[in-house]
Amino acid sequence: DAKTTQPTSMDCAEGRAANLPCNHSTISGNEYVYWYRQIHSQGPQYIIHGLKNNETNEMASLIITEDRKSSTLILPHATLRDTAVYYCIVRVYGSSNTGKLIFGQGTTLQVKP
Amino acid sequence: DSGVTQTPKHLITATGQRVTLRCSPRSGDLSVYWYQQSLDQGLQFLIQYYNGEERAKGNILERFSAQQFPDLHSELNLSSLELGDSALYFCASSASPGNSGNTIYFGEGSWLTVV
Repeated sequence: DAKTTQPTSMDCAEGRAANLPCNHSTISGNEYVYWYRQIHSQGPQYIIHGLKNNETNEMASLIITEDRKSSTLILPHATLRDTAVYYCIVRVYGSSNTGKLIFGQGTTLQVKP
Repeated sequence: DSGVTQTPKHLITATGQRVTLRCSPRSGDLSVYWYQQSLDQGLQFLIQYYNGEERAKGNILERFSAQQFPDLHSELNLSSLELGDSALYFCASSASPGNSGNTIYFGEGSWLTVV
């Protein structure tokens, strides 16, 4: 599975967009980019995932570069409740794969008033 | 609410004892994953079951074992417990792992404290 690199921590002002970067330069063609977050020892929460195209849902947007070597998770209007550890994970699919998630250290996002 | 149910939520036990953590996956999900999160470690993948059979093994100690039953619920058994086994144990589930777009959803975890 491809490894990801994320900044250890970031700050964001409440109400502003939070842009969380992730590098995955060794990603393969069949690997998806997934984002999860964990709020203070709660269960990791699924945010969004994508393969090649940019994706948007009610929580966030995912921008994947054309070469797929990096991506950015965007929380459009961060609130204090978005303070959490955010994990960027690449995940392999295919019947011969397990589809398990391997977590790195993630980015601790602190949203400040 | 992810739909993944874990019991018990909290458990305190003594060293040398054995405990069983239980997980009910989301309705229709065939795959179950177990993770461990200690204070000084990140989320560590332990083991995965798919439709009753072991599918992948991670950093799971020999003192730990798991199984998935015909009704698809899973149990993680931890024996000869040591202080270092104190951690948050998460269960997660997904549909067939071979299908793209198959999201994994996590439960709220079981806090294990070994004293």
